[in-house]
Amino acid sequence: DVKVTQSSRYLVKRTGEKVFLECVQDMDHENMFWYRQDPGLGLRLIYFSYDVKMKEKGDIPEGYSVSREKKERFSLILESASTNQTSMYLCASSLSWTGIYEQYFGPGTRLTVT
Amino acid sequence: DQQVKQNSPSLSVQEGRISILNCDYTNSMFDYFLWYKKYPAEGPTFLISISSIKDKNEDGRFTVFLNKSAKHLSLHIVPSQPGDSAVYFCAARSLGGSRLTFGEGTQLTVNP
Repeated sequence: DVKVTQSSRYLVKRTGEKVFLECVQDMDHENMFWYRQDPGLGLRLIYFSYDVKMKEKGDIPEGYSVSREKKERFSLILESASTNQTSMYLCASSLSWTGIYEQYFGPGTRLTVT
Repeated sequence: DQQVKQNSPSLSVQEGRISILNCDYTNSMFDYFLWYKKYPAEGPTFLISISSIKDKNEDGRFTVFLNKSAKHLSLHIVPSQPGDSAVYFCAARSLGGSRLTFGEGTQLTVNP
């Protein structure tokens, strides 16, 4: 059974702080993704990675960066948190090139920036 | 530019009746479609998928229909149960890629 874990369920940070969100998957998946979910906007892709040290921008990368030093771990970094980054952050992983495109999601981190 | 659109933010049905959730897309390069279900304070979980070479896929109470000419897919849940109450997202994959594009979601409420 695929397991994707996220370091925190709830996080409260102040404006201007540097924030790290960690995600770990245990199924040796090549692809990892960071989304944010906001009411009425669905899931929007921030960044994804298809291999260690490889990353691609998603639809809303501004204000975020990522790091993937090990295959199982994908970190999302908010360099200087702002109130408009208050959201639910979801990490996901998937296999590559298998004909199965299902992504497995972690439980999410509810981030509040005050 | 919203390439995957779920026009109904919410849907309410009676237990035992059919729930029909709809999704429209604009990108002709989408070749694989998925439905996810999300409960509050949990991550989305995969429900059912369909390849663009098919027009129907069934799994128990869940059936997904794809109308490529209309660029429309729908998820049918029969019979609906109170435990089906959740937000449902449709998602689409572009040919040759691994990323998914998600719709806005529809909140389904099944009343006992």
